[in-house]
Amino acid sequence: DVKVTQSSRYLVKRTGEKVFLECVQDMDHENMFWYRQDPGLGLRLIYFSYDVKMKEKGDIPEGYSVSREKKERFSLILESASTNQTSMYLCASSQTTKAKSPDTQYFGPGTRLTVL
Amino acid sequence: AQSVAQPEDQVNVAEGNPLTVKCTYSVSGNPYLFWYVQYPNRGLQFLLKYITGDNLVKGSYGFEAEFNKSQTSFHLKKPSALVSDSALYFCAVRDAYSGAGSYQLTFGKGTKLSVIP
Repeated sequence: DVKVTQSSRYLVKRTGEKVFLECVQDMDHENMFWYRQDPGLGLRLIYFSYDVKMKEKGDIPEGYSVSREKKERFSLILESASTNQTSMYLCASSQTTKAKSPDTQYFGPGTRLTVL
Repeated sequence: AQSVAQPEDQVNVAEGNPLTVKCTYSVSGNPYLFWYVQYPNRGLQFLLKYITGDNLVKGSYGFEAEFNKSQTSFHLKKPSALVSDSALYFCAVRDAYSGAGSYQLTFGKGTKLSVIP
């Protein structure tokens, strides 16, 4: 089974702190994604990566950065946390098929971040 | 541009009755379509997907979905609902003609399914 793990289930930080959210997958997937989930808004893509050291902006990248130094690990960084970044953060990974089409995304359990 | 709509925020169904969770989509080309389920305080779990072929797709836990190209719909169904099916359900779409390296899925806002004993 695919396993995607996230470093914390719950996190409480103060405004202005630098926050690191870590995601690790064990299936050698090429693609990794960071989403945030808010009630009534569904899932919104923050950043994704389709290879080591590669990153692409999603729909809402402002206030976030990412790092992918190793294939299995994708980090989301909040440079200076703000209260409007209080949310559930979900990491996902997928492989690229031979036809270069995306395969199913598999999700981690999520990190519920509260910024005070 | 690609988009997906889940017209119902909440669906209530009695245990043992059939359930339907609706999804409509918009893409420029052919769609890749997915259904995911989320239990409270958990990540999303994959249920099923449509890439090509048979319009009726069978997935996990007895769920199935029917792809209807003329109505641009991909409704999730189950013949007999269980209380344990109560969860949040998400439909997602990607345009098959998006460029290589563009793997973005667009998710709906979710439908909360409540199965009443």
